Amino acid sequence: DAGVIQSPRHEVTEMGQEVTLRCKPISGHDYLFWYRQTMMRGLELLIYFNNNVPIDDSGMPEDRFSAKMPNASFSTLKIQPSEPRDSAVYFCASSVLGVGAEAFFGQGTRLTVV
Amino acid sequence: GNSVTQMEGPVTLSEEAFLTINCTYTATGYPSLFWYVQYPGEGLQLLLKATKADDKGSNKGFEATYRKETTSFHLEKGSVQVSDSAVYFCALSGTGGSYIPTFGRGTSLIVHP
Repeated sequence: DAGVIQSPRHEVTEMGQEVTLRCKPISGHDYLFWYRQTMMRGLELLIYFNNNVPIDDSGMPEDRFSAKMPNASFSTLKIQPSEPRDSAVYFCASSVLGVGAEAFFGQGTRLTVV
Repeated sequence: GNSVTQMEGPVTLSEEAFLTINCTYTATGYPSLFWYVQYPGEGLQLLLKATKADDKGSNKGFEATYRKETTSFHLEKGSVQVSDSAVYFCALSGTGGSYIPTFGRGTSLIVHP
């Protein structure tokens, strides 16, 4: 398996624009996570899905953020409208969970909002 | 709730020095414990893990022992290399019926030649 695949790797956008980040999890993994990483806050869990269903979105910072998982092999995180404080690295991870199960991370999308 | 506390970085060492990065946790029950590593420009990847008390996880010369009595999982390496420069995250999962991982803030390690 190629691992968790995220696109794009880098995104620069202007304030107010819509941004869509994409993720393809590892086949067979039934959990998918979206994280945000910043120097100030470290690694934050935004939302996670189980079998394509959103389970906990309490980490989503505002209504400007939304996430979907239309099928087992694809998820999106959308920010509309984007703001400079959304600049961060966004990671997608997938897992089967269970005792000792690890989370597999993608390489991340570095988002810069100017 | 669950939490993981790591020593603040950066930790700066010379090549071949001994490394310790402290990690303590708060959780109910008996969680699994993990160390992840993040190299520059990459995502996190599992370095090692332990699933029960007194277990020792090891990989690439790194090791950590699950200490239930002190709720700790300190990361150690006897001789670091420049290529070990990265950010290290301690994490736990598997408490209260939930396997959603809880991560620490991460500790940056810088190794000089």
